[in-house]
Amino acid sequence: QVVLTQSPSASASLGASVKLTCTLSGGHSSYSIAWHQQQPEKGPRFLMILNSDGSHNKGDGIPDRFSGSSSGAERYLTISSLQSEDEADYYCQTWGTGIQVFGAGTKVTVL
Amino acid sequence: EVQLLESGGGLVQPGGSLRLSCAASGFTFSSYAMAWVRQAPGKGLEWVSITYGADGTTYYAGSVEGRFTISRDNSKNTLYLQMNSLRAEDTAVYYCAKLAYDTTTYFDFWGQGTLVTVSS
Repeated sequence: QVVLTQSPSASASLGASVKLTCTLSGGHSSYSIAWHQQQPEKGPRFLMILNSDGSHNKGDGIPDRFSGSSSGAERYLTISSLQSEDEADYYCQTWGTGIQVFGAGTKVTVL
Repeated sequence: EVQLLESGGGLVQPGGSLRLSCAASGFTFSSYAMAWVRQAPGKGLEWVSITYGADGTTYYAGSVEGRFTISRDNSKNTLYLQMNSLRAEDTAVYYCAKLAYDTTTYFDFWGQGTLVTVSS
């Protein structure tokens, strides 16, 4: 079964950029993933679907400063021009027939 | 605008039952798979169950199989989760989520969640 690995935390200064990584377990490097944002005390919010070739489609109203890219088994979420409201947990998600898999999440702190 | 509104959470004793509801609007409910995802206090997201829109196919996480039942009423645009034999480890915020297609795929809209607390 596919496993998604995320670093527990990341931080960057206001206005800077941060790049988050989600790594697919062996043999699953062709999988697409989705990125979701969860701000404190709120429900998750879909950010984008990210394919193995780096193409991505964002959800409604997601700012241009959120972008995705891929390399091998790694899927990236880059947040540019960090804002205070970007301080949140970020989860990657993938799927197989009848199952859903989440990474453990990365907590982003805006310094 | 897609809206998902969960209800039915609360405090229940171990071994008890609870039924959650999710009222959906802003899209053709019967054309999409729907799911429940939960989040224990201070923990990450855990998928619970999925149901397809057209044929009612269901899938469950191993941790809830045999105890929870997902269902939907397409005429009422409502998703349900019947939870039986509840355990302390079922304590979590339960989110209703819409999938992007009528199959197992990514979640593209989420509700705000309803809290279930299992405690004596």
